[in-house]
Amino acid sequence: AQTVTQSQPEMSVQEAETVTLSCTYDTSESDYYLFWYKQPPSRQMILVIRQEAYKQQNATENRFSVNFQKAAKSFSLKISDSQLGDAAMYFCAYRLNFGNEKLTFGTGTRLTIIP
Amino acid sequence: ETGVTQTPRHLVMGMTNKKSLKCEQHLGHNAMYWYKQSAKKPLELMFVYNFKEQTENNSVPSRFSPECPNSSHLFLHLHTLQPEDSALYLCASSQDTLNTEAFFGQGTRLTVV
Repeated sequence: AQTVTQSQPEMSVQEAETVTLSCTYDTSESDYYLFWYKQPPSRQMILVIRQEAYKQQNATENRFSVNFQKAAKSFSLKISDSQLGDAAMYFCAYRLNFGNEKLTFGTGTRLTIIP
Repeated sequence: ETGVTQTPRHLVMGMTNKKSLKCEQHLGHNAMYWYKQSAKKPLELMFVYNFKEQTENNSVPSRFSPECPNSSHLFLHLHTLQPEDSALYLCASSQDTLNTEAFFGQGTRLTVV
Protein backbone atom coordinates (compact mmCIF):
# COMPACT_ATOMS: atom_id res chain seq x y z
CA ALA A 1 0.00 0.00 0.00
CA GLN A 2 1.09 3.52 -0.73
CA THR A 3 1.90 5.81 2.17
CA VAL A 4 2.68 9.51 2.34
CA THR A 5 4.77 10.96 5.16
CA GLN A 6 5.06 14.57 6.19
CA SER A 7 7.58 14.70 9.00
CA GLN A 8 7.09 18.36 9.89
CA PRO A 9 3.85 18.87 11.82
CA GLU A 10 4.54 22.61 12.04
CA MET A 11 6.72 25.11 10.24
CA SER A 12 7.08 28.86 10.44
CA VAL A 13 8.68 31.40 8.16
CA GLN A 14 9.22 35.12 8.16
CA GLU A 15 7.11 37.04 5.68
CA ALA A 16 8.90 37.45 2.32
CA GLU A 17 11.28 34.59 3.11
CA THR A 18 11.40 31.13 1.54
CA VAL A 19 10.27 27.93 3.20
CA THR A 20 10.42 24.29 2.16
CA LEU A 21 7.91 21.67 3.27
CA SER A 22 8.97 18.04 3.13
CA CYS A 23 7.10 15.01 1.86
CA THR A 24 8.20 11.46 1.25
CA TYR A 25 6.13 8.61 -0.09
CA ASP A 26 6.37 4.91 -0.50
CA THR A 27 5.31 3.14 -3.67
CA SER A 28 6.49 0.38 -5.95
CA GLU A 29 4.77 1.98 -8.93
CA SER A 30 6.37 4.20 -11.55
CA ASP A 31 3.39 6.06 -13.01
CA TYR A 32 1.66 8.27 -10.51
CA TYR A 33 0.80 11.84 -9.60
CA LEU A 34 1.87 13.87 -6.59
CA PHE A 35 0.02 16.88 -5.25
CA TRP A 36 0.29 19.62 -2.69
CA TYR A 37 -3.00 20.84 -1.29
CA LYS A 38 -3.46 23.92 0.89
CA GLN A 39 -6.14 24.08 3.57
CA PRO A 40 -6.55 27.61 4.97
CA PRO A 41 -8.69 28.40 8.02
CA SER A 42 -11.71 28.43 5.71
CA ARG A 43 -11.10 24.63 5.59
CA GLN A 44 -11.44 24.35 1.83
CA MET A 45 -8.71 22.17 0.35
CA ILE A 46 -7.19 23.94 -2.63
CA LEU A 47 -4.84 22.32 -5.11
CA VAL A 48 -1.54 24.21 -5.11
CA ILE A 49 0.60 22.20 -7.48
CA ARG A 50 0.70 18.85 -9.26
CA GLN A 51 3.61 16.74 -10.49
CA GLU A 52 3.45 13.86 -12.93
CA ALA A 53 5.95 11.19 -12.01
CA TYR A 54 7.08 10.54 -15.57
CA LYS A 55 8.05 14.18 -16.03
CA GLN A 56 11.59 15.03 -15.03
CA GLN A 57 10.95 18.75 -14.85
CA ASN A 58 9.84 20.09 -11.49
CA ALA A 59 6.42 21.73 -11.52
CA THR A 60 6.11 25.42 -10.70
CA GLU A 61 3.12 27.66 -10.07
CA ASN A 62 4.11 31.26 -9.47
CA ARG A 63 5.75 31.37 -6.02
CA PHE A 64 5.27 27.64 -5.49
CA SER A 65 7.67 25.05 -6.83
CA VAL A 66 8.50 21.46 -6.06
CA ASN A 67 11.67 19.46 -5.80
CA PHE A 68 10.70 16.03 -7.09
CA GLN A 69 13.29 13.33 -6.48
CA LYS A 70 11.76 10.16 -7.89
CA ALA A 71 14.54 7.80 -6.88
CA ALA A 72 14.48 9.12 -3.34
CA LYS A 73 10.64 9.24 -3.33
CA SER A 74 10.76 12.79 -2.12
CA PHE A 75 8.45 15.62 -3.09
CA SER A 76 9.11 18.88 -1.27
CA LEU A 77 7.25 22.16 -1.72
CA LYS A 78 9.11 25.44 -1.82
CA ILE A 79 7.22 28.65 -1.17
CA SER A 80 9.12 31.77 -2.18
CA ASP A 81 8.40 35.30 -0.98
CA SER A 82 6.04 33.97 1.70
CA GLN A 83 2.88 35.98 2.22
CA LEU A 84 0.46 36.15 5.14
CA GLY A 85 -2.15 34.47 2.98
CA ASP A 86 0.07 31.41 2.69
CA ALA A 87 -0.65 30.49 6.31
CA ALA A 88 -2.48 27.18 6.19
CA MET A 89 -2.22 23.42 6.55
CA TYR A 90 -0.38 21.90 3.62
CA PHE A 91 -1.07 18.32 2.60
CA CYS A 92 1.01 16.20 0.31
CA ALA A 93 -0.94 13.56 -1.64
CA TYR A 94 -0.27 10.69 -4.00
CA ARG A 95 -2.41 9.10 -6.66
CA LEU A 96 -1.60 6.17 -8.87
CA ASN A 97 -2.22 6.92 -12.53
CA PHE A 98 -4.26 3.83 -13.16
CA GLY A 99 -7.95 3.12 -12.97
CA ASN A 100 -10.04 4.42 -10.15
CA GLU A 101 -7.24 4.97 -7.71
CA LYS A 102 -7.83 7.21 -4.74
CA LEU A 103 -5.78 10.07 -3.34
CA THR A 104 -3.58 9.11 -0.39
CA PHE A 105 -2.80 12.03 1.90
CA GLY A 106 -0.10 12.78 4.43
CA THR A 107 -0.88 14.11 7.89
CA GLY A 108 -0.18 17.71 6.95
CA THR A 109 2.17 20.54 7.91
CA ARG A 110 0.85 23.65 9.57
CA LEU A 111 2.61 26.68 8.14
CA THR A 112 2.70 29.93 10.10
CA ILE A 113 3.81 33.19 8.51
CA ILE A 114 5.51 35.61 10.87
CA PRO A 115 4.88 39.23 9.94
CA GLU B 1 -14.85 29.18 -3.99
CA THR B 2 -14.30 26.01 -6.00
CA GLY B 3 -17.89 25.23 -6.89
CA VAL B 4 -18.39 22.61 -4.17
CA THR B 5 -20.73 23.70 -1.39
CA GLN B 6 -21.29 21.85 1.85
CA THR B 7 -24.00 22.44 4.43
CA PRO B 8 -24.13 22.84 7.31
CA ARG B 9 -20.73 24.28 8.15
CA HIS B 10 -21.03 23.15 11.75
CA LEU B 11 -23.15 20.45 13.34
CA VAL B 12 -23.49 19.28 16.91
CA MET B 13 -25.52 16.15 17.44
CA GLY B 14 -26.28 13.70 20.19
CA MET B 15 -25.50 10.03 19.85
CA THR B 16 -29.16 9.18 19.33
CA ASN B 17 -29.83 11.85 16.72
CA LYS B 18 -30.25 11.45 12.99
CA LYS B 19 -28.82 14.15 10.77
CA SER B 20 -27.63 14.57 7.20
CA LEU B 21 -24.73 16.37 5.58
CA LYS B 22 -25.26 17.84 2.15
CA CYS B 23 -22.83 18.47 -0.67
CA GLU B 24 -23.58 20.16 -3.96
CA GLN B 25 -21.32 20.81 -6.91
CA HIS B 26 -21.89 23.07 -9.89
CA LEU B 27 -18.89 21.97 -11.90
CA GLY B 28 -20.53 19.37 -14.11
CA HIS B 29 -18.48 16.64 -12.46
CA ASN B 30 -19.54 13.02 -12.42
CA ALA B 31 -17.58 11.74 -9.43
CA MET B 32 -18.14 12.77 -5.82
CA TYR B 33 -16.39 11.76 -2.63
CA TRP B 34 -16.75 11.89 1.14
CA TYR B 35 -13.61 12.22 3.23
CA LYS B 36 -13.16 12.26 7.00
CA GLN B 37 -10.48 14.54 8.42
CA SER B 38 -9.44 13.95 12.02
CA ALA B 39 -6.73 15.82 13.87
CA LYS B 40 -3.19 14.56 13.22
CA LYS B 41 -4.41 11.85 10.84
CA PRO B 42 -4.36 11.70 7.05
CA LEU B 43 -7.61 12.32 5.24
CA GLU B 44 -9.60 9.12 5.07
CA LEU B 45 -11.61 8.38 1.97
CA MET B 46 -15.05 7.11 2.98
CA PHE B 47 -17.16 6.79 -0.15
CA VAL B 48 -16.86 7.31 -3.88
CA TYR B 49 -19.70 7.81 -6.31
CA ASN B 50 -19.23 7.80 -10.05
CA PHE B 51 -22.20 8.62 -12.28
CA LYS B 52 -24.45 8.24 -9.22
CA GLU B 53 -23.21 4.72 -8.54
CA GLN B 54 -21.24 3.92 -5.41
CA THR B 55 -17.90 2.56 -6.50
CA GLU B 56 -16.10 2.47 -3.18
CA ASN B 57 -16.98 2.00 0.45
CA ASN B 58 -13.82 2.18 2.45
CA SER B 59 -14.93 -0.09 5.30
CA VAL B 60 -17.10 2.65 6.74
CA PRO B 61 -19.44 1.71 9.63
CA SER B 62 -23.09 1.43 8.69
CA ARG B 63 -23.99 4.37 10.94
CA PHE B 64 -22.78 6.44 7.98
CA SER B 65 -25.07 6.09 4.98
CA PRO B 66 -24.32 7.93 1.74
CA GLU B 67 -26.84 8.89 -0.90
CA CYS B 68 -26.25 10.28 -4.37
CA PRO B 69 -29.57 11.15 -6.04
CA ASN B 70 -27.84 12.79 -9.02
CA SER B 71 -24.37 13.75 -10.14
CA SER B 72 -24.62 17.18 -8.52
CA HIS B 73 -25.70 16.18 -5.03
CA LEU B 74 -24.25 13.94 -2.38
CA PHE B 75 -25.57 13.32 1.11
CA LEU B 76 -24.15 11.64 4.15
CA HIS B 77 -26.85 10.41 6.52
CA LEU B 78 -25.75 10.02 10.11
CA HIS B 79 -27.38 8.00 12.86
CA THR B 80 -26.32 6.60 16.21
CA LEU B 81 -22.89 8.17 15.96
CA GLN B 82 -20.12 7.87 18.53
CA PRO B 83 -17.98 10.68 19.98
CA GLU B 84 -14.98 9.38 17.99
CA ASP B 85 -16.91 10.22 14.83
CA SER B 86 -16.39 13.90 15.59
CA ALA B 87 -14.31 15.27 12.74
CA LEU B 88 -14.33 17.49 9.69
CA TYR B 89 -16.22 15.83 6.85
CA LEU B 90 -15.09 16.98 3.43
CA CYS B 91 -16.87 16.50 0.16
CA ALA B 92 -15.00 16.57 -3.13
CA SER B 93 -15.79 16.15 -6.79
CA SER B 94 -13.85 15.46 -9.96
CA GLN B 95 -14.70 15.09 -13.63
CA ASP B 96 -14.61 11.35 -13.18
CA THR B 97 -12.72 8.88 -11.03
CA LEU B 98 -9.89 8.78 -13.56
CA ASN B 99 -9.33 12.51 -13.40
CA THR B 100 -6.49 13.60 -11.21
CA GLU B 101 -7.83 16.86 -9.85
CA ALA B 102 -10.38 16.86 -7.06
CA PHE B 103 -12.17 20.01 -5.94
CA PHE B 104 -13.12 20.20 -2.28
CA GLY B 105 -15.85 21.88 -0.30
CA GLN B 106 -15.28 23.72 2.97
CA GLY B 107 -16.36 20.79 5.06
CA THR B 108 -18.81 20.23 7.87
CA ARG B 109 -17.33 20.31 11.36
CA LEU B 110 -19.22 17.56 13.19
CA THR B 111 -19.24 17.22 16.94
CA VAL B 112 -20.94 14.22 18.52
CA VAL B 113 -21.86 14.69 22.16
